[in-house]
Amino acid sequence: AAGVIQSPRHLIKEKRETATLKCYPIPRHDTVYWYQQGPGQDPQFLISFYEKMQSDKGSIPDRFSAQQFSDYHSELNMSSLELGDSALYFCASSSSDRTYEQYFGPGTRLTVT
Amino acid sequence: SQQGEEDPQALSIQEGENATMNCSYKTSINNLQWYRQNSGRGLVHLILIRSNEREKHSGRLRVTLDTSKKSSSLLITASRAADTASYFCATDDPPSARQLTFGSGTQLTVLP
Repeated sequence: AAGVIQSPRHLIKEKRETATLKCYPIPRHDTVYWYQQGPGQDPQFLISFYEKMQSDKGSIPDRFSAQQFSDYHSELNMSSLELGDSALYFCASSSSDRTYEQYFGPGTRLTVT
Repeated sequence: SQQGEEDPQALSIQEGENATMNCSYKTSINNLQWYRQNSGRGLVHLILIRSNEREKHSGRLRVTLDTSKKSSSLLITASRAADTASYFCATDDPPSARQLTFGSGTQLTVLP
């Protein structure tokens, strides 16, 4: 069965640079979520989208923005990167009638140097 | 804010033994789920228990939920070295349930 696809899998950026992470949800899933997991930490919810509109917002810094496109894929844009942004970034998707049943992608490991 | 607290933070057992991990949460919930994460990898969904359920089984997994104590436990029976991973509980809160709040995880090591 198709799973959530994230790209790139690994990304190395320098401080103050910009990064874009992409997420392709499971086919027919209309809701996308982004989570951040710092080293040794639990995943923290950042933001979610339903039908291309932002639906919930968590602990997402103002330097980050995200959007969901007409094909339901989503992008997380991160600007003015800081060392503390180094983390695993997970995307998850679900159908809108079962939002608790979130399927996670393999994650993008972002390293900021 | 962190919803769930995992207990213990780390657990080391011998292959064949049972492993029990606990999770506590603070607010009311719709569902509680357990996820597994191999080192630095993705989160794999293990089992979901609804707020009106008390116990659920799936293969070697047994989950209990006590909403009066706001706690859950995950039991892995007859553990295998391949069960070595971090285990997280995650809750979704009414009414929206559109975000999961994760606990801090238990690192389980199963020694061969």
